[in-house]
Amino acid sequence: KAGVTQTPRYLIKTRGQQVTLSCSPISGHRSVSWYQQTPGQGLQFLFEYFSETQRNKGNFPGRFSGRQFSNSRSEMNVSTLELGDSALYLCASSLNPGGETQYFGPGTRLLVL
Amino acid sequence: DQQVKQNSPSLSVQEGRISILNCDYTNSMFDYFLWYKKYPAEGPTFLISISSIKDKNEDGRFTVFLNKSAKHLSLHIVPSQPGDSAVYFCAASAGNKGDKIIFGKGTRLHILP
Repeated sequence: KAGVTQTPRYLIKTRGQQVTLSCSPISGHRSVSWYQQTPGQGLQFLFEYFSETQRNKGNFPGRFSGRQFSNSRSEMNVSTLELGDSALYLCASSLNPGGETQYFGPGTRLLVL
Repeated sequence: DQQVKQNSPSLSVQEGRISILNCDYTNSMFDYFLWYKKYPAEGPTFLISISSIKDKNEDGRFTVFLNKSAKHLSLHIVPSQPGDSAVYFCAASAGNKGDKIIFGKGTRLHILP
């Protein structure tokens, strides 16, 4: 069974631009969560989607948004990029939402210049 | 407020010896705990989990111990191997509430030859 895939793997943007990241979960998994990883900060939870609905949201500004499609694929969007948004963005999928074991994709490394 | 704490940013252990990674949590509602391993440029990989109804779970070289009264868990790796050099994340959730998973900041484990 194929794992979680994320595209693109690497991205360079400039301040003020916007970016869209994509995540395809493991087949059959209906829940997708997004995390931001920066050095020394561990994995910061962004949001969780299940059945095209956002179930949980972390403490990030409204510039960070996401959505989930009927095939469980998810996208994350960051508008008006700031230098501090440079990070590894990880997507994880699980069969069901709410604390089940999650399986991670390789991440998208975003660099904002 | 950090609900899951990994107080050691790094740990060095001789190959063949036991590696012990520690994790403390503050939320008494947490009832499901996980450990993930992460290599550079890859997403975290699920290692082992434990439910709050148990105090120990073993899988090969990896054993997780849970001390609910102390709100403490630990991951033991015996014997430590060079491929174990990675960042280890502790995570917890109030699974019975369908809550999100909270991650610690990680501990970087170096296995010395």
